[in-house]
Amino acid sequence: DIQMTQSPSSLSASVGDRVTITCRASQGIRNYLAWYQQKPGKVPNLLVYGASTLQSGVPSRFSGSGSGTAFTLTISSLQPEDVATYYCQKYDSVPYTFGPGTKVDIK
Amino acid sequence: EVQLVETGGGLIQPGGSLRLSCAASGFTVSSNYMTWVRQAPGEGLEWVSVIYGESTTFYADSVKGRFTISRDNSKNTLHLQMDSLRAEDTAVYYCARNIAGAGMVFDIWGQGTLVTVSS
Repeated sequence: DIQMTQSPSSLSASVGDRVTITCRASQGIRNYLAWYQQKPGKVPNLLVYGASTLQSGVPSRFSGSGSGTAFTLTISSLQPEDVATYYCQKYDSVPYTFGPGTKVDIK
Repeated sequence: EVQLVETGGGLIQPGGSLRLSCAASGFTVSSNYMTWVRQAPGEGLEWVSVIYGESTTFYADSVKGRFTISRDNSKNTLHLQMDSLRAEDTAVYYCARNIAGAGMVFDIWGQGTLVTVSS
């Protein structure tokens, strides 16, 4: 099975900072990569799919890029409401594995 | 309103069985890819199972042979039959719906139901 890794596992940044999270697949998955945000005590929320397509209603400060084995989620200007854990997910084939998550908080 | 509501969680002894249900409203479960995802306490997300089409199903290796996903189209409800439960199955179980035409990405999630496997 293809393994998904994320880095860093956690980060602390100031409001307004540019934040980048990396997700890597152990084998190529083309652009079949999604990003989810899960706020504390809440249900996961889809942010990006197809590696770079922003889900409807998601603020434009979020963006995704990458293809093959390396992907990034960028928050262009971190806001207090972005405190959450972010997960990548591969969906090229079963199993639809999630990455281990990146916890983002405010410095 | 498009909504998913899970029920059926609870405390169960190791080796026992439990059946989770996920009632859908605002859309038809048989027309979408429907999945179960779980999250152990303090841990990340783990994909569990998916059903789509006539009755195509897939499972994570960790539950294969013990869990069964199914649909009741007449009740617009998704189910997860969980047998031979283990302590490591303890988690919040979410049902979710995919975005039509976009593949296995999930835009609508239920609120989750907690399954605790303990003696």
